[in-house]
Amino acid sequence: DVKVTQSSRYLVKRTGEKVFLECVQDMDHENMFWYRQDPGLGLRLIYFSYDVKMKEKGDIPEGYSVSREKKERFSLILESASTNQTSMYLCASSHTGGDLETQYFGPGTRLLVL
Amino acid sequence: AQSVAQPEDQVNVAEGNPLTVKCTYSVSGNPYLFWYVQYPNRGLQFLLKYITGDNLVKGSYGFEAEFNKSQTSFHLKKPSALVSDSALYFCAVRDSLTGGGNKLTFGTGTQLKVEL
Repeated sequence: DVKVTQSSRYLVKRTGEKVFLECVQDMDHENMFWYRQDPGLGLRLIYFSYDVKMKEKGDIPEGYSVSREKKERFSLILESASTNQTSMYLCASSHTGGDLETQYFGPGTRLLVL
Repeated sequence: AQSVAQPEDQVNVAEGNPLTVKCTYSVSGNPYLFWYVQYPNRGLQFLLKYITGDNLVKGSYGFEAEFNKSQTSFHLKKPSALVSDSALYFCAVRDSLTGGGNKLTFGTGTQLKVEL
């Protein structure tokens, strides 16, 4: 079974703090994704990566950065957390080609910025 | 550009009745279509997908979806709903002409409530 894990289920941070969200997948997937989920807005793509050290902006990259130093790990960084970044953050990974592009999701991190 | 719409925020159905959750899409090339389900405080779970081939796709937990190219739709269906099907359902699409990384666009989600 594909397993995608996220470092925390719940996080509480203060405005201005630097926040790291970590995601690890164990299926040797090339592609990894960070989304945020907000009621009524669905999932919105923040960043994705299709290879180690490669990254591309998604639909809402402002206020976020990412790092992919190893194939299995994809980190989302909030350089200076703000209250409007309070949200559910979901990580996903997928294989290019073989599994016909299905994305597999982690359990999510619910972040509260005070 | 790729986009997907789920026109209903919530669908209510009685247990044992058939259910339908609607999804329409827009792409420039051919669509790759997906349904995911999310239970409270959980990540998304993959249900089924259409890439090519038979228009009727069968997936997990007795769900199926029908690809209709002329109506640009991919509605999720189940012949007999269970209370345990109550969850948030997301439709997603990728355009075959999109570049590397198989980036999906998700709908806003439909809350399914199955009542006794």
